[in-house]
Amino acid sequence: SQQGEEDPQALSIQEGENATMNCSYKTSINNLQWYRQNSGRGLVHLILIRSNEREKHSGRLRVTLDTSKKSSSLLITASRAADTASYFCATDRNTDKLIFGTGTRLQVFP
Amino acid sequence: GAVVSQHPSRVICKSGTSVKIECRSLDFQATTMFWYRQFPKKSLMLMATSNEGSKATYEQGVEKDKFLINHASLTLSTLTVTSAHPEDSSFYICSARDLRTSDYNEQFFGPGTRLTVL
Repeated sequence: SQQGEEDPQALSIQEGENATMNCSYKTSINNLQWYRQNSGRGLVHLILIRSNEREKHSGRLRVTLDTSKKSSSLLITASRAADTASYFCATDRNTDKLIFGTGTRLQVFP
Repeated sequence: GAVVSQHPSRVICKSGTSVKIECRSLDFQATTMFWYRQFPKKSLMLMATSNEGSKATYEQGVEKDKFLINHASLTLSTLTVTSAHPEDSSFYICSARDLRTSDYNEQFFGPGTRLTVL
């Protein structure tokens, strides 16, 4: 399977703490994106990082990319209960297809 | 902008019936639409890619006669699950992309359709 893997599968933290999720993929990529999915809902695009970038920030989100290790991390700082959701990474190569990781279920307790 | 809708949001049907799910891009023209399937607490698996006016390209292992996809206009794609069985019960999500304007693989996702086959 081409599917990427994320770890941890599930993460529970208290409000105010930071949450780090990791994504590993198998092939060379053009871009890596992170998405958020609330239970039973569609996906919301969070951030994109290109293969020639190493780090990117957007608000409380920080994404890193290490193409030599074929891995990426998503850091959510100062988490809030509203951040509770599943988070997926998705990669693309030279086609339209997005290959999604297995996802991390984040639970933030108030 | 870049809103994608799906209809219905939830459907329950009897085994053997066919179900049609619509995916619409509301404020942009989608040259390409994608259909995904998601099992509970699992990731999204791409089923097929459809380009407006041409036949859909199905992923390996996805039966094209079972999952009929039509992308007749730049704002509408439909997925028909034919002769549905309980194992077809799943969450189906579509996404849309305008190849003419996006410089990377930017896809906008619909809210999903929960299909339950009894």
